[in-house]
Amino acid sequence: DAGVTQSPTHLIKTRGQHVTLRCSPISGHKSVSWYQQVLGQGPQFIFQYYEKEERGRGNFPDRFSARQFPNYSSELNVNALLLGDSALYLCASSLLGRFNEQFFGPGTRLTVL
Amino acid sequence: SQQGEEDPQALSIQEGENATMNCSYKTSINNLQWYRQNSGRGLVHLILIRSNEREKHSGRLRVTLDTSKKSSSLLITASRAADTASYFCATDITTDSWGKLQFGAGTQVVVTP
Repeated sequence: DAGVTQSPTHLIKTRGQHVTLRCSPISGHKSVSWYQQVLGQGPQFIFQYYEKEERGRGNFPDRFSARQFPNYSSELNVNALLLGDSALYLCASSLLGRFNEQFFGPGTRLTVL
Repeated sequence: SQQGEEDPQALSIQEGENATMNCSYKTSINNLQWYRQNSGRGLVHLILIRSNEREKHSGRLRVTLDTSKKSSSLLITASRAADTASYFCATDITTDSWGKLQFGAGTQVVVTP
């Protein structure tokens, strides 16, 4: 079975630009979560979606937004990019959305110049 | 501040030795999960231990949980060079309605042949 997939793998943007990251969960999983991992740190929670509804939001500015589609795939959008947004963006899917394992994709490495 | 904090920050051992790392957390949890990350790639789920469990095994991995001390440990027995990675604990906290995970900064493990 295919695991969680993310696209693109790498991305280079300049300050002020906008970026869209995509995630496809494991088949049958209805929950998708997004995390940001800055170099040398642990992942930080950004959003969680379950059954297409936002179920949780981390401490990130409104420049960050996300949505989940009817097929449970998800997009993370970041507007007005800052240098500090450079990070590995990880998507995780889970069956129930709570109290169970989360399975992570390979991540999208975003570099903001 | 981060919910989970791993100790030590870094660990260097030889093949065949055991590796032990600890995780402390601050608030009540539903479960605690351990993940492995190789060279800044996606996280691999290792094991989930629920708040009413005290010990769990999976292959060469042994996880303990002490909710009275708000701490967990991960033991890797008979380590291999392929175990070289960063290891993170992540907590699913009870005060959150949905299972967003809070990660520590990780323990970097190097296993030398």
